[in-house]
Amino acid sequence: QLHLQESGPGLVKPSDTLSLTCTVSGGSTTIYTSLWGWIRQSPGKGLEWIGTNHYNGHTNYHPSLKSRITMSVDTSRNQFSLKLTSVSAADTAVYFCVRRPDFYGEYYDSWGQGILVTVSS
Amino acid sequence: EIVLTQSPGTLSLSPGERVTLSCRASQSVSNNFLAWYQQKPGQSPRLLISGASNRATGIPDKFSGSGSGTDFTLTISRLDPEDFAVYYCQQYGSSPVTFGQGTTVEV
Repeated sequence: QLHLQESGPGLVKPSDTLSLTCTVSGGSTTIYTSLWGWIRQSPGKGLEWIGTNHYNGHTNYHPSLKSRITMSVDTSRNQFSLKLTSVSAADTAVYFCVRRPDFYGEYYDSWGQGILVTVSS
Repeated sequence: EIVLTQSPGTLSLSPGERVTLSCRASQSVSNNFLAWYQQKPGQSPRLLISGASNRATGIPDKFSGSGSGTDFTLTISRLDPEDFAVYYCQQYGSSPVTFGQGTTVEV
């Protein structure tokens, strides 16, 4: 069974870069029909899609975050990552890594447990 | 972007009851690309339905989805104690992907 686990700092200073990694076990990041992504959840905004990417480099980012996001897949480590630059308090949320199992549909069948990231000085 | 409005916000029910949750989109959802998720406290969301009516792997048939265009429904035929949770709809017919604000099903 596929298992996703987020890792990274729980506290990030304003204007810094948020960096998170998701480690995949029980499956491979090189499954061609799978994409790998991030969703965040906060009390104020609810669930918010951030973006997804494929190991071949194809990416799909939320338009409002696109200028600040970089996602990548490291197939050698079976991991994928998120970098979000110039963070502010509005980026405080629980961040989930997810798998999109269908190349033709942006829905998510596997979720990590989530990691709380707080933006504060 | 498409705004999804879920109603009601909270439902107070008893085990054994049938429940119908609504998700209304601000514009038509292409190809009925709508999903439903269940989230329990302290847990991540779990996929229940994709494509408006296709149950995900391992999801019992007491969960069913229906609808098209702008109006979608999740039905739980008979509530079990483990079904008390928050339910979210999500559209993926247009970018960006958006989620509803959730419906809480409580005892």
